[in-house]
Amino acid sequence: DTGVSQNPRHKITKRGQNVTFRCDPISEHNRLYWYRQTLGQGPEFLTYFQNEAQLEKSRLLSDRFSAERPKGSFSTLEIQRTEQGDSAMYLCASSLKEGASYNEQFFGPGTRLTVL
Amino acid sequence: GIQVEQSPPDLILQEGANSTLRCNFSDSVNNLQWFHQNPWGQLINLFYIPSGTKQNGRLSATTVATERYSLLYISSSQTTDSGVYFCAVSGTYKYIFGTGTRLKVLA
Repeated sequence: DTGVSQNPRHKITKRGQNVTFRCDPISEHNRLYWYRQTLGQGPEFLTYFQNEAQLEKSRLLSDRFSAERPKGSFSTLEIQRTEQGDSAMYLCASSLKEGASYNEQFFGPGTRLTVL
Repeated sequence: GIQVEQSPPDLILQEGANSTLRCNFSDSVNNLQWFHQNPWGQLINLFYIPSGTKQNGRLSATTVATERYSLLYISSSQTTDSGVYFCAVSGTYKYIFGTGTRLKVLA
């Protein structure tokens, strides 16, 4: 299967700890996105990479959050000093830049974070 | 920013019934997708449909971009259709999601 993969699928941590999530996009996709979804809501955009360049960060992404895509392939999302409000599903998506506006995104299974 | 509204918020159907889900958006968009989120949280692509009509088995979708809405039709619903259906739109790269329609299909 060559879909988007995310690890770990579940993470339980104590408040104040740091956590890191990994996303492996579809291999030929040059765009990668992180979204966050809380209970009962639709996903919300966090950040976007084209190749290794991080081109936009949402205001939802506080300074405790950092994302990287060092070689333009996989990406990591780190949350430092976790808070209970960080509990959510973290979703990764990827797409292939083709043409001026086409942008069909494919999502991974998500990482469900619980902060105790 | 673009606002996305989905209706109805909740829907309960008997197996075999048909349904129509609606997505209204507040500004012109270049991309529109419909997703089904299964109970495990996986978003499954149903349609990429910024305009026009598409069909895939029992599902079909129509987007009227000039009037800023899209419709998802589910025919002969099955219990496996249960879950949350999201509409998402984008101008360039980031998608804005609606709050979804929660569908429950009863056997």
